[in-house]
Amino acid sequence: GQQLNQSPQSMFIQEGEDVSMNCTSSSIFNTWLWYKQDPGEGPVLLIALYKAGELTSNGRLTAQFGITRKDSFLNISASIPSDVGIYFCAGRSNYGQNFVFGPGTRLSVLP
Amino acid sequence: DVKVTQSSRYLVKRTGEKVFLECVQDMDHENMFWYRQDPGLGLRLIYFSYDVKMKEKGDIPEGYSVSREKKERFSLILESASTNQTSMYLCASSPLDHQETQYFGPGTRLLVL
Repeated sequence: GQQLNQSPQSMFIQEGEDVSMNCTSSSIFNTWLWYKQDPGEGPVLLIALYKAGELTSNGRLTAQFGITRKDSFLNISASIPSDVGIYFCAGRSNYGQNFVFGPGTRLSVLP
Repeated sequence: DVKVTQSSRYLVKRTGEKVFLECVQDMDHENMFWYRQDPGLGLRLIYFSYDVKMKEKGDIPEGYSVSREKKERFSLILESASTNQTSMYLCASSPLDHQETQYFGPGTRLLVL
């Protein structure tokens, strides 16, 4: 089946630094999602992307739908301690299909 | 405030036991999902449902079954729990035509001994 790869698997950054992570697929997707999971909680949707090249922001978070339609990127600016968690990407090839989730990027923010 | 609740946060069961995981949503959503989350594998879809009494297999349905007798409730059943079913189980719901807006419950961490 379809698989997603996320990079990096984990990262440790200093508070105030910017963060970049990405998600790649072997298949073309028409929708990309980015979720964040706080420790001990379920994932929460951050950003949804529907069009190749689309750039969407949600506060300090910015996500992009790659022009090849096989990747997506998430950037966090000026990280703060509450950014700690696991960030998942998810994608689907066609409307109505179920989403496939990536393995996640675990972010730790050092004060 | 939208809410998806799961019956237990932590559960310990023995191999061979029958296990019920319950999920309730208060948003009148048509879609409900059960995922398991394992380190390095992300979320994998076990079963989903588009309507009452309707169920569809996801990517890893083996060893599981589900029940949806009421719109707000979706149950995951492990008929005979095995150690490889030790995992975090997440329930989610979404409106029928907006599967991208899935709301997740807090998860049930299941340990099978």
